[in-house]
Amino acid sequence: DAKTTQPNSMESNEEEPVHLPCNHSTISGTDYIHWYRQLPSQGPEYVIHGLTSNVNNRMASLAIAEDRKSSTLILHRATLRDAAVYYCILRGTTNDYKLSFGAGTTVTVRA
Amino acid sequence: GAGVSQSPRYKVAKRGQDVALRCDPISGHVSLFWYQQALGQGPEFLTYFQNEAQLDKSGLPSDRFFAERPEGSVSTLKIQRTQQEDSAVYLCASSLEELSGANVLTFGAGSRLTVL
Repeated sequence: DAKTTQPNSMESNEEEPVHLPCNHSTISGTDYIHWYRQLPSQGPEYVIHGLTSNVNNRMASLAIAEDRKSSTLILHRATLRDAAVYYCILRGTTNDYKLSFGAGTTVTVRA
Repeated sequence: GAGVSQSPRYKVAKRGQDVALRCDPISGHVSLFWYQQALGQGPEFLTYFQNEAQLDKSGLPSDRFFAERPEGSVSTLKIQRTQQEDSAVYLCASSLEELSGANVLTFGAGSRLTVL
C-alpha cells in the first residue's frame, strides 16, 4: 500500500481555518487522495477526494501539490463539531481492496 | 435505511464465547468492507465482499474470524472462541460500486466488542 504521513495532532480556534497536511511521496499516477474523518464514538465519515486538481465541496477543500507528493485538507471555518481524527488515504487500482487508514491527525478546536 | 446499520452496538462476551456481528449496508451497494479498530488506533482492514463474493479476507487475524454475505446484502462477522485481544470496535462500510480509486465508502457506527 502507498503510505501517507500526517502530523499526530493540530489545534485550532473556532471560526478560524484549519490546514491539515499530508505527505504521500510514493503516490502512483492512478492513486486518488481521499480524506475521511472520525468523530468520537462514530464510524469514519467521507470528507473529500481528488486525483490531480484541487477540489471543493460543502465540507472542505482539497489542495493537491503539482507533483502530487503532498496535499492539504482545508477546513475554512472550524467549528467545535469539526473536532475529530482526520485520515489521509490513497486509493489506487481495482485490486486495492484495503483502505489503509494509518493513525491520522487529531484536530482539537478551541472555543 | 439511509445509512449503514450495525448491530449490536455494544457486546460484552466472556472469553471463549462465540459472537456474531451484523451489518446492514445501504440498499443496492455492491461493495462491503469490515474493519477492526482498537482503542486509539485507526481502522484496520479485515475483509471485502463484492456482492456475495468474498474477494479478500487477508486482514482476518485468525481462523476464528469468519465473515459471510450470502445474498449480497446483509453481512455477518462471526468470531469464535473470543479472546481478550479481540476487544475492539468492528466497523462495516459499504459502497455503491465495485472498487475504483474514486470509490467512496459509507461507514456504520460500529459494534463495540468487549471480551472479559
